[in-house]
Amino acid sequence: KNEVEQSPQNLTAQEGEFITINCSYSVGISALHWLQQHPGGGIVSLFMLSSGKKKHGRLIATINIQEKHSSLHITASHPRDSAVYICAVYGTGNQFYFGTGTSLTVIP
Amino acid sequence: NAGVTQTPKFQVLKTGQSMTLQCAQDMNHEYMSWYRQDPGMGLRLIHYSVGAGITDQGEVPNGYNVSRSTTEDFPLRLLSAAPSQTSVYFCASSYWGTDTQYFGPGTRLTVL
Repeated sequence: KNEVEQSPQNLTAQEGEFITINCSYSVGISALHWLQQHPGGGIVSLFMLSSGKKKHGRLIATINIQEKHSSLHITASHPRDSAVYICAVYGTGNQFYFGTGTSLTVIP
Repeated sequence: NAGVTQTPKFQVLKTGQSMTLQCAQDMNHEYMSWYRQDPGMGLRLIHYSVGAGITDQGEVPNGYNVSRSTTEDFPLRLLSAAPSQTSVYFCASSYWGTDTQYFGPGTRLTVL
């Protein structure tokens, strides 16, 4: 069973498009994290959310605790946004659960 | 700050060999964790620690041991390597699970 589901698995967009990646989870959580993994393999944290909405530059993350759902939006996408985006939840028992990731390719 | 460091970057083992993957952080983080990343599976938690002297199992702990004798270090030991342990291993740390996670660069392990 997957505690965290992401969609879509793969996404190709033209430069400038608005992108949405979705994450649904089935466990009780204290926080939800969005991570970015570039082709080189390194993983960086983009957002940590426990409620509401956060914005960093062209990235926006929202969470609906009641619906157990989060979205990551990228406005005015750029080829440098090409990466794998991973949703992770910090659940009960101090454990993290991860989605399988969304592979984004932005074409110039 | 060096952040989270992992050694080695690459390792090839033969079945049955043992080894230790090193992880260290210099940010005084309490929460440290080990993950493996396999194609199509995403990241999976192996072991984690909420402070020095405290460790616990994650989703896939079998075949791995950990210890946390200091706040800074969290080594992962493979007791008797198996081909199923071929994977990319990441170490991460944070003040707590509700804070920003910092990941090491990863170790690519191949077990023949």
